[in-house]
Amino acid sequence: AQRVTQPEKLLSVFKGAPVELKCNYSYSGSPELFWYVQYSRQRLQLLLRHISRESIKGFTADLNKGETSFHLKKPFAQEEDSAMYYCALRAQGGSEKLVFGKGTKLTVNP
Amino acid sequence: DSGVTQTPKHLITATGQRVTLRCSPRSGDLSVYWYQQSLDQGLQFLIQYYNGEERAKGNILERFSAQQFPDLHSELNLSSLELGDSALYFCASSVEAGTPLHFGNGTRLTVT
Repeated sequence: AQRVTQPEKLLSVFKGAPVELKCNYSYSGSPELFWYVQYSRQRLQLLLRHISRESIKGFTADLNKGETSFHLKKPFAQEEDSAMYYCALRAQGGSEKLVFGKGTKLTVNP
Repeated sequence: DSGVTQTPKHLITATGQRVTLRCSPRSGDLSVYWYQQSLDQGLQFLIQYYNGEERAKGNILERFSAQQFPDLHSELNLSSLELGDSALYFCASSVEAGTPLHFGNGTRLTVT
């Protein structure tokens, strides 16, 4: 079974500080990992996917298969980064559904 | 704008009632997914349709059903509603397998 764990429900940092949102997954095969962001009163938006290896809004995430992790990082947090962040997994070659973690609410304080 | 449209935005109804939530996917997207978001359970996958056919099923109750029509819009039917069904219901769509999901704004269902 596929499972995504985001150990932190809430994360609070100050503007300019580094931020890391943790995501661990459980899946025996080869996963595809995503980060979605949900700003206040807005829809979920795709932030990153691991196969793209890109940086969006200063965020990066590296898939670590040894540690089964896909942590989201940003060196200098901004107030506009405050949002709910969801890590999601899709089994490659299997069902197309995304399995989501329960999310981490990030608050960036001025 | 991702183009996924969900109606209604809000729905308030009583226990025991039945409601229908509607989703129009992005133009060209063949897959539609339904998710339930509640405070304690997070985002739970309910069901997926691809070009009119059921593709995958998740934690969907027997009281719930869905379908995708020839024009690719989808409806999620919730019946014999209970207080615990109060949640935000999201629809998402994608072009095909392996492509990212694009979400709608959701329908907030309140069961009183």
